[in-house]
Amino acid sequence: NAGVTQTPKFRVLKTGQSMTLLCAQDMNHEYMYWYRQDPGMGLRLIHYSVGEGTTAKGEVPDGYNVSRLKKQNFLLGLESAAPSQTSVYFCASEEGFSSSYNEQFFGPGTRLTVL
Amino acid sequence: RKEVEQDPGPFNVPEGATVAFNCTYSNSASQSFFWYRQDCRKEPKLLMSVYSSGNEDGRFTAQLNRASQYISLLIRDSKLSDSATYLCVVNPAYSGAGSYQLTFGKGTKLSVIP
Repeated sequence: NAGVTQTPKFRVLKTGQSMTLLCAQDMNHEYMYWYRQDPGMGLRLIHYSVGEGTTAKGEVPDGYNVSRLKKQNFLLGLESAAPSQTSVYFCASEEGFSSSYNEQFFGPGTRLTVL
Repeated sequence: RKEVEQDPGPFNVPEGATVAFNCTYSNSASQSFFWYRQDCRKEPKLLMSVYSSGNEDGRFTAQLNRASQYISLLIRDSKLSDSATYLCVVNPAYSGAGSYQLTFGKGTKLSVIP
């Protein structure tokens, strides 16, 4: 099992450009998440999905959109990148349902710089 | 008040030392608690869940004090490989609701020195 994979690993954008980050998991997990991690800040939830075809806003959703057309994939889009979106983006997945003690499995991260 | 607070460190300790990290949380309704470990420039990984009765996994012991809204992690006989950032994580969701409300602390950095 590859677990959770993210594409790309690194990216540099100019202000105003758009891009899509891809997250894939092969564990048949129901829940998937996008977080951002900035220096001196804890991980902050951008958007999440509790199943195929569903998405919801997290703590910091502005400037991002997501889609979950297939259970194994969760896409994060930046329509018009801004320097404030320079960050490390982590995708995570979780089995979901029955327990509040479920483990979240994280991908290796995407380092995004917006100039 | 921040939802999950941790001492950012860094904690610099010699090999073999015992080190303790503390964490406080503000939501008294929080239901489940975790310590995640994050190596430099890597993703977070679950170290251990924290249960009401306290739990131990080898050299690691986690404690929960609901009355004081306080979680701790004790590492005994520190190894060089324990060098990492330790994230305190709290889930306010009721049992069965999944963990999509996880709140992460900023992390405590540990460096174990030879």
